[in-house]
Amino acid sequence: DTAVSQTPKYLVTQMGNDKSIKCEQNLGHDTMYWYKQDSKKFLKIMFSYNNKELIINETVPNRFSPKSPDKAHLNLHINSLELGDSAVYFCASSQLTVSTDTQYFGPGTRLTVL
Amino acid sequence: AQKITQTQPGMFVQEKEAVTLDCTYDTSDQSYGLFWYKQPSSGEMIFLIYQGSYDEQNATEGRYSLNFQKARKSANLVISASQLGDSAMYFCAMRGPAAGATNKLIFGTGTLLAVQP
Repeated sequence: DTAVSQTPKYLVTQMGNDKSIKCEQNLGHDTMYWYKQDSKKFLKIMFSYNNKELIINETVPNRFSPKSPDKAHLNLHINSLELGDSAVYFCASSQLTVSTDTQYFGPGTRLTVL
Repeated sequence: AQKITQTQPGMFVQEKEAVTLDCTYDTSDQSYGLFWYKQPSSGEMIFLIYQGSYDEQNATEGRYSLNFQKARKSANLVISASQLGDSAMYFCAMRGPAAGATNKLIFGTGTLLAVQP
């Protein structure tokens, strides 16, 4: 069984479009995250939700809007896509109450903006 | 501010030999966690090993061990008996105290490991 899943795996779109990426985890975790990996492979946190509440919101353009309908789902909507948004977006989840609090990652969504 | 430094952009190792991937960190927190992740060419991020700042013993998971030297702020990953399937990018990461807004992972720039037959 897939622990953290993301759809779609690949997303190719034109500049200016709006797109969404969906994430689901079946680990029973209470916290979910979005990370962005740029073309140089550098990974950076974007958002984190704990029990559907936003707890981390890094300096991300407000064209990016996360939504967590429940603890098991975290979606990322991106408006007015720009060339610089091309990257791999990873969803992750963890259990905040566990001391190790290991984050488990989804397979990633490779977004290409043309 | 927290920072992770991986000074080896790339490494080669012969199959069946051991290899050490370096990681140093900087933080003012007393409580923190250190992680290593593997990213093969297929792109997924695979959790390998965790070390807590208060753990007195070095973490081990199968062929992976973490050489934790707190005073030197280093958390090197040791892979024993390298296999061809170990060829991948390896990331060291740190998080602050496991509560709320400090829970984000700060990543290093990664080390690309190539295992040669």
